[in-house]
Amino acid sequence: DAGVIQSPRHEVTEMGQEVTLRCKPISGHDYLFWYRQTMMRGLELLIYFNNNVPIDDSGMPEDRFSAKMPNASFSTLKIQPSEPRDSAVYFCASITPEASNEQFFGPGTRLTVL
Amino acid sequence: GDSVTQMEGPVTLSEEAFLTINCTYTATGYPSLFWYVQYPGEGLQLLLKATKADDKGSNKGFEATYRKETTSFHLEKGSVQVSDSAVYFCALSDRAAGGGADGLTFGKGTHLIIQP
Repeated sequence: DAGVIQSPRHEVTEMGQEVTLRCKPISGHDYLFWYRQTMMRGLELLIYFNNNVPIDDSGMPEDRFSAKMPNASFSTLKIQPSEPRDSAVYFCASITPEASNEQFFGPGTRLTVL
Repeated sequence: GDSVTQMEGPVTLSEEAFLTINCTYTATGYPSLFWYVQYPGEGLQLLLKATKADDKGSNKGFEATYRKETTSFHLEKGSVQVSDSAVYFCALSDRAAGGGADGLTFGKGTHLIIQP
């Protein structure tokens, strides 16, 4: 298995632009998580899905952030409009708890908003 | 709510030194505990885990024991190598395996630097 795949790996954009981050979980995993990592706040859970349904989005910072999971093999995290304080590394992780409680992380997307 | 507190770095050691990174937690239930490692420019990798009290997780010479009485999960290694230089995260999950899943609660991370 290729593991969790995220794209792009790096994104540089200007304030006010729309940004879309993508994630492909490990095949067969039924939970998908989005995390954000910053120096100030560390790793924070933004939202997670079970069987493509959002379960908890209480970590989404503002209405500018939205996430979707249209099918079991794809999820997006969108920021519109983006702001400099959104600059961070965004990680996606997946898990199938019936097998293990280990979350498998993707390599992350480093977002820079100028 | 749940929280994880770990010693902040950077922690700088010489090669072959003994390593301890402290981690304590607060949780409402009986969480599973994890140590993840992040190498520069990469995502997080699971280093070891423990799912119940007194369990010892171990991997690559690293060990951590789930201590319910002190709510701790300290990471140790007897002899560190330069290749161990990375950021280490302590984390917990309040859901047991087979009982669904929940997001991980992470500590702030400890940057470990091993000098030759």
